[in-house]
Amino acid sequence: KNEVEQSPQNLTAQEGEFITINCSYSVGISALHWLQQHPGGGIVSLFMLSSGKKKHGRLIATINIQEKHSSLHITASHPRDSAVYICAVLVAQKLVFGQGTRLTINP
Amino acid sequence: KAGVTQTPRYLIKTRGQQVTLSCSPISGHRSVSWYQQTPGQGLQFLFEYFSETQRNKGNFPGRFSGRQFSNSRSEMNVSTLELGDSALYLCASSLWLGAYEQYFGPGTRLTVT
Repeated sequence: KNEVEQSPQNLTAQEGEFITINCSYSVGISALHWLQQHPGGGIVSLFMLSSGKKKHGRLIATINIQEKHSSLHITASHPRDSAVYICAVLVAQKLVFGQGTRLTINP
Repeated sequence: KAGVTQTPRYLIKTRGQQVTLSCSPISGHRSVSWYQQTPGQGLQFLFEYFSETQRNKGNFPGRFSGRQFSNSRSEMNVSTLELGDSALYLCASSLWLGAYEQYFGPGTRLTVT
């Protein structure tokens, strides 16, 4: 069993829909990252959080340390949000990654 | 401020050869981490360098090595290349040790034939 599990693996939605991507982990962590990877490979760090909730524009990330679970929400989704979203947890100063969620937003 | 740069962007090598990849961090960042991304295994941590010393290491064989220079630029080397080493190699820089906030480079896509 992977230490970091994401769901769903693939998600297709229509423009404007509310999107939720989930991440569960099985180990004690110092922090959790949400990353975005566009075709071509470039990775952008969206959030780093160790408790509570963070918001940046249309993106919201939450974490529940007790339940070992985090969610990434996208409000009013847009085709430019199409990308792979990766959850990564910081364990002993090393990042351990989930397998990613491929999100496709159709116009 | 310029972002993280990696060279070369694409590379084709033959089994048994060795390869060196380069990463220049954001100015002022002292930590450089390296990652391997493959379709089968996803993203995996290779190692982290800080102040010219390897501080953390992932579960990769000794064929994978790296170093960091006094200007924080880093190189990673893979010797005796295998087909399974074909991957996207990403580096990320951060101000301090421990991957708390990382900025990723565009990656080097290595193909081993």
